[in-house]
Amino acid sequence: DAGVTQSPTHLIKTRGQQVTLRCSPKSGHDTVSWYQQALGQGPQFIFQYYEEEERQRGNFPDRFSGHQFPNYSSELNVNALLLGDSALYLCASSFGGLGNTEAFFGQGTRLTVV
Amino acid sequence: AQTVTQSQPEMSVQEAETVTLSCTYDTSESDYYLFWYKQPPSRQMILVIRQEAYKQQNATENRFSVNFQKAAKSFSLKISDSQLGDAAMYFCASSRNEKLTFGTGTRLTIIP
Repeated sequence: DAGVTQSPTHLIKTRGQQVTLRCSPKSGHDTVSWYQQALGQGPQFIFQYYEEEERQRGNFPDRFSGHQFPNYSSELNVNALLLGDSALYLCASSFGGLGNTEAFFGQGTRLTVV
Repeated sequence: AQTVTQSQPEMSVQEAETVTLSCTYDTSESDYYLFWYKQPPSRQMILVIRQEAYKQQNATENRFSVNFQKAAKSFSLKISDSQLGDAAMYFCASSRNEKLTFGTGTRLTIIP
């Protein structure tokens, strides 16, 4: 079992550009959540996908959007990048409905906006 | 909304000794879960221990145990027999409907 995999591991983008980050959940998991972790901070919840729909959303602007595919993998898209979007983006997967099951995390994508 | 506070940015402990990391939280919910996650330099968040709020008994996982004080909204982590591999950032988190709310973390250093 490969666990949660994220790609790419590192990324450098220019302010104003758009970026897409990818996540494959742990085998058997159907729920994917995305978090933003700024340097020296704890992760902040961006949104969660279940059954290809956005089920919950944190306090992030509409520039942050996502998608979940039939195989449960997910993408995070960020438009009009700002310097403040530089962070580690973590993907977490879990199984089932709103049962507070254990979330497994990937190793993250380090995004640098210059 | 849930909030989680970790008041110790850094802690250090001698190898083989015991250390306690503090965490307080605030929630209006009656049904929630509490977690401690470890984040080593590899960046991957690893679950250390989990506590269901409706359970009075404190969770234990080998050398790791918690002191859950529901009325005080306190959830501390005790690491016994500290090992060099325990060095990492430790995050306390609360969960409601699988949405995790994290604290700012405590950096734990193990002194050989």
